[in-house]
Amino acid sequence: QKEVEQNSGPLSVPEGAIASLNCTYSDRGSQSFFWYRQYSGKSPELIMFIYSNGDKEDGRFTAQLNKASQYVSLLIRDSQPSDSATYLCAVTPSGGYNKLIFGAGTRLAVHP
Amino acid sequence: DGGITQSPKYLFRKEGQNVTLSCEQNLNHDAMYWYRQDPGQGLRLIYYSQIVNDFQKGDIAEGYSVSREKKESFPLTVTSAQKNPTAFYLCASSHLAGDTYEQYFGPGTRLTVT
Repeated sequence: QKEVEQNSGPLSVPEGAIASLNCTYSDRGSQSFFWYRQYSGKSPELIMFIYSNGDKEDGRFTAQLNKASQYVSLLIRDSQPSDSATYLCAVTPSGGYNKLIFGAGTRLAVHP
Repeated sequence: DGGITQSPKYLFRKEGQNVTLSCEQNLNHDAMYWYRQDPGQGLRLIYYSQIVNDFQKGDIAEGYSVSREKKESFPLTVTSAQKNPTAFYLCASSHLAGDTYEQYFGPGTRLTVT
C-alpha cells in the first residue's frame, strides 16, 4: 500500500513565525511532490511542487525534499492568519506520473 | 475566464437514486480526475481519464461510473450501489509543466444522500 503520512495537527504558530509542515511517503519510486492548501469548505489550491532533492523557494513558501529519507516539507515564513488552512501533501506513485496520492493533511492555525 | 467548473455546489438525494455530477474545463487539459474527500481524510481517486473516450479506475471506483465523450467534460455518476455516497466530490484536470503534471481542482460538489 503506497502511503503518504502527515501529522493531522493542529499546528499552532504565532503570526510572523515560521510554520514547518512535514510529510513522509512510502513509495521510493515517487518522483514529484506537491503541496496544496485547502481552506475549510473549499477545494485544494496548488501552492508548489518539487522533484529534485534540496530546497525550492516561491515567495514565503519553501519546499524541501529528501528522497533518501522519503521526506518532504513545506516552510511558510512570516506566517499570517490568512495562512490558516489544511495543507495537503501529494506525491506521484512510481509508474503513475499523471496520478497523485494524497496525505490526509495538516491543519495549520496562525494566531495573532 | 479559464477554469474548472462543477455543478451543482450542493446536491441532496434520497438513497437508491443515481445522481450525476458535472465537471467542465476550458483549460485545454488532456487529463481529468474525480476524487472523493471525507472529513479528516485525504483525497481518494475514483476515476481518471487521460484522453477522450478512455478512462481508468482509481482506488475506489466501485459504485461510480464516468464518461469522457468530450475533452472539456468528465461527468461522474454516483450509483445506488455506492454504499456511502455522502462526501465532498472534487474534479481536477492536469497539464504537463516541464517534467511534471500539475493538477488543478474545481470548486467541488458536496453530495448528501439520506
